[in-house]
Amino acid sequence: AQSVTQPDIHITVSEGASLELRCNYSYGATPYLFWYVQSPGQGLQLLLKYFSGDTLVQGIKGFEAEFKRSQSSFNLRKPSVHWSDAAEYFCAVGINTDKLIFGTGTRLQVFP
Amino acid sequence: EAGVAQSPRYKIIEKRQSVAFWCNPISGHATLYWYQQILGQGPKLLIQFQNNGVVDDSQLPKDRFSAERLKGVDSTLKIQPAKLEDSAVYLCASSLALGGSSLSGANVLTFGAGSRLTVL
Repeated sequence: AQSVTQPDIHITVSEGASLELRCNYSYGATPYLFWYVQSPGQGLQLLLKYFSGDTLVQGIKGFEAEFKRSQSSFNLRKPSVHWSDAAEYFCAVGINTDKLIFGTGTRLQVFP
Repeated sequence: EAGVAQSPRYKIIEKRQSVAFWCNPISGHATLYWYQQILGQGPKLLIQFQNNGVVDDSQLPKDRFSAERLKGVDSTLKIQPAKLEDSAVYLCASSLALGGSSLSGANVLTFGAGSRLTVL
């Protein structure tokens, strides 16, 4: 069965520091992979997606993610975090682009 | 384009009462989804519609939850009777078409802001 693991429940970084949020998945074939962000009281906003091709994908707000098949990972990165990046981040995997399984999320806190 | 609209944003009810949530997807989006997001967890799919037909409702607790999308546009999710464990955010999402191996991004989900339910 498909599953998604986000090992870090809560991460705190200083503004301007680099960020990496971890995501591991379990699936028999190459899945479709997504990162969504959820600000308080808001719905989920798509940051980026991977379907195939280049394993390093660029998203909105300066985020990128790298698909590593050998590690079954799809980690999200940002070189310099802004205070407005504080939110909850969800990794999701799907066998199609629409049937998604989400991880439990990582809450990002940014200190000035 | 206008986003996915949901109402009400917040609802507080007592257990055993009923509640209904409404969703209006992005215009032209054929597929509509209801997700349940319990505090501290990721969203979980409850039901998926393609136009006015149900594609997947395997995770919907059918003894108390029901959903409809009669005209293939907006949708209503109902809970009757509510239990304490139904306290959650109910997210509606829509996509242009049913999923497949697409590189166009047309099948990516767009979410509404959600309806937060508190059952006392």
